Amino acid sequence: AQSVAQPEDQVNVAEGNPLTVKCTYSVSGNPYLFWYVQYPNRGLQFLLKYITGDNLVKGSYGFEAEFNKSQTSFHLKKPSALVSDSALYFCAVRPHSNYQLIWGAGTKLIIKP
Amino acid sequence: DVKVTQSSRYLVKRTGEKVFLECVQDMDHENMFWYRQDPGLGLRLIYFSYDVKMKEKGDIPEGYSVSREKKERFSLILESASTNQTSMYLCASSLILSGGTDTQYFGPGTRLTVL
Repeated sequence: AQSVAQPEDQVNVAEGNPLTVKCTYSVSGNPYLFWYVQYPNRGLQFLLKYITGDNLVKGSYGFEAEFNKSQTSFHLKKPSALVSDSALYFCAVRPHSNYQLIWGAGTKLIIKP
Repeated sequence: DVKVTQSSRYLVKRTGEKVFLECVQDMDHENMFWYRQDPGLGLRLIYFSYDVKMKEKGDIPEGYSVSREKKERFSLILESASTNQTSMYLCASSLILSGGTDTQYFGPGTRLTVL
C-alpha cells in the first residue's frame, strides 16, 4: 500500500537553531511532493512542492525541502527557527495516477525561546 | 489570493441529526475536496469532485454524501450524525493542472461535535 511516514510526532528546537522535519514515502513512480503547515485554529497552508528538477526546493517563510530519490525522502528544513514557526506540519505525496494526495500523520514543531 | 470559506467554524449536533457543511471557493477551481482531520491520523479524504455534479469517493466515504450543483460550492452531508463523526472537517480546492502539479488550498475548517 502507498504511504507517507512522518516518523516524529513532535520535534522540539531552540529558537535560532536549524530545524528538520522528516518525511519518507512509499509510492510508486516519481510522485509530486508537498509540505503544508497548520497554525493553531487555522486551516492548512501550502508551504512548498517538488515537481521536478533541483532537489532543493524553496518555499514560504524561509522553509526549504530536500528531495532524495534513493532514500524516498522529502525532509523540511529551515536554517534558523523562529518561535512563530511552532505549528503542525504535514507532508503529502501525489502519485501521477490520480487526484488524491496521500498524507502523513503530521509532526508538531515546537520552537522554544 | 485564493479564498476558501466554510459555513461554520464550530458546530454541535445531536446523534441522528442531518448535518450540512458548506464550502465555497472564489477562484474558479475545478477540483474540490472534503477531508476529516483526526489527531495522529493526518488528513483522510472523504469525497472529491472534479467538476459540477461529478463526485468520487475518497478513502472514508461511509456515512457521508456530497453535492456540487455549482462550481464554487461543495457541500458535505452527514445523513444521520453519529458520535464517531466528531472531527475537524477541512475543505480544499485546486485547479486542474497538467501532470497533477496542482496545489490544494484549504478553508479554515469546521470543528464538528456530535453529542
